[in-house]
Formats: sequence, structure tokens, C-alpha cells
Amino acid sequence: QKEVEQNSGPLSVPEGAIASLNCTYSDRGSQSFFWYRQYSGKSPELIMSIYSNGDKEDGRFTAQLNKASQYVSLLIRDSQPSDSATYLCAVNRVTGGGNKLTFGTGTQLKVEL
Amino acid sequence: NAGVTQTPKFRILKIGQSMTLQCTQDMNHNYMYWYRQDPGMGLKLIYYSVGAGITDKGEVPNGYNVSRSTTEDFPLRLELAAPSQTSVYFCASSYGTGTIEAFFGQGTRLTVV
Repeated sequence: QKEVEQNSGPLSVPEGAIASLNCTYSDRGSQSFFWYRQYSGKSPELIMSIYSNGDKEDGRFTAQLNKASQYVSLLIRDSQPSDSATYLCAVNRVTGGGNKLTFGTGTQLKVEL
Repeated sequence: NAGVTQTPKFRILKIGQSMTLQCTQDMNHNYMYWYRQDPGMGLKLIYYSVGAGITDKGEVPNGYNVSRSTTEDFPLRLELAAPSQTSVYFCASSYGTGTIEAFFGQGTRLTVV
């Protein structure tokens, strides 16, 4: 079982719709969760972090965390063509060597006009 | 604000050559990471460091070496380059405690021929 799993997509949504991106993780000891956006040929850019169960909203983005189900999601409201990118889920857990940040393979999002 | 700076941006190596990928950060972060990203894949952790003088292996350390003599710098050394090391390499840094979001450099695209 992969430590962090995401559907690779592509996920296609029409402009103005809600895009829903999902991520599951295997280690129940994971404590911190992040969503990164990566445009083609560019480096990952942090867009959301979430540390406790529930929802966290920032503009058009909402991150949702359910530790009991080991599930993290990202909702993008009013999707725009500029949101077309790969979204990487990252999970942090504390190991004997310190914090270890593990990434999923990413979900490609395409927002269509 | 420089953030995380990687050099070079592009490099072509011949099989068996060696090189060092440079990474420096000016945010006084304790943690630094090296990831590689193969086409269409997520980020795989090569090595990480929790502070000057301390490094640890990630999930794909073979063929690489690192050192951390200062807080700012975390170079990645490739010895005896192989075609399997063709990839995009990203360096990242974070505080490691409290606010642990990681920030990435612009990446180094390496081709081994």
C-alpha cells in the first residue's frame, strides 16, 4: 500500500464548477497535511495546509481532513482555466529521524472553457 | 526574497560523470529535503536533513550523497551518473516544527546520456 494515494486523473471540470480532489494516506500517525499545485515544468507551490479534522477555507479553496478515515480532500470552487495543473497531496509524519514529508503522485486537473 | 535557490537549472551528464546539485535557502529553516520527480510521477524523497550536521536517507537514496555543513546549504552529490538518474530534482526547506510547510526551489532538470 502506498503511503499517500491519489487518483492520477485527468479530472476534467467545466469552468465555474467545483473541482473535488481526493487523497488517502496509510499512516495513522500522520499529523499534518498539505496540498501543492504544480504547473507543467514548474516547482510545487503550497496552496493549503490542514492540521486538524474538519474544513479549512482560503478563498476558493477548501481543504477537508478526516483522520478517522485517513482521508484528505481539496475543493476548488468556481474553477478557472488557470487552475489547470497537477495537485499534489503531501502528508507529514514524525519518525525517529524527524519530520518526513511524503507526496502522492498527484491528480491532473483540467478546467475546460 | 530569494527563498530556496537551486543551481544549475539544467545539466546534461555523460554516464559515469559526477556532479553536485547546489541548494541554498535564506529563510533560516532547519529542515531541508531533496526530491526527484520522474515524468508523470510524484515526488520521491532522496535525502533530508533536520539541521546542520544531520542527514538521513529517504526512500530512493542509492547513487546519491548529501552533506549539511551549514543551515543554509544542502548540496546533493551524484557519483557515477546513470541514465536512471535522469529526472527533475527539487530541493525544499521548512522550519520542521510548528509551521512545517515546505517551500521548493525551481528545480534542476538533469539528463544522463
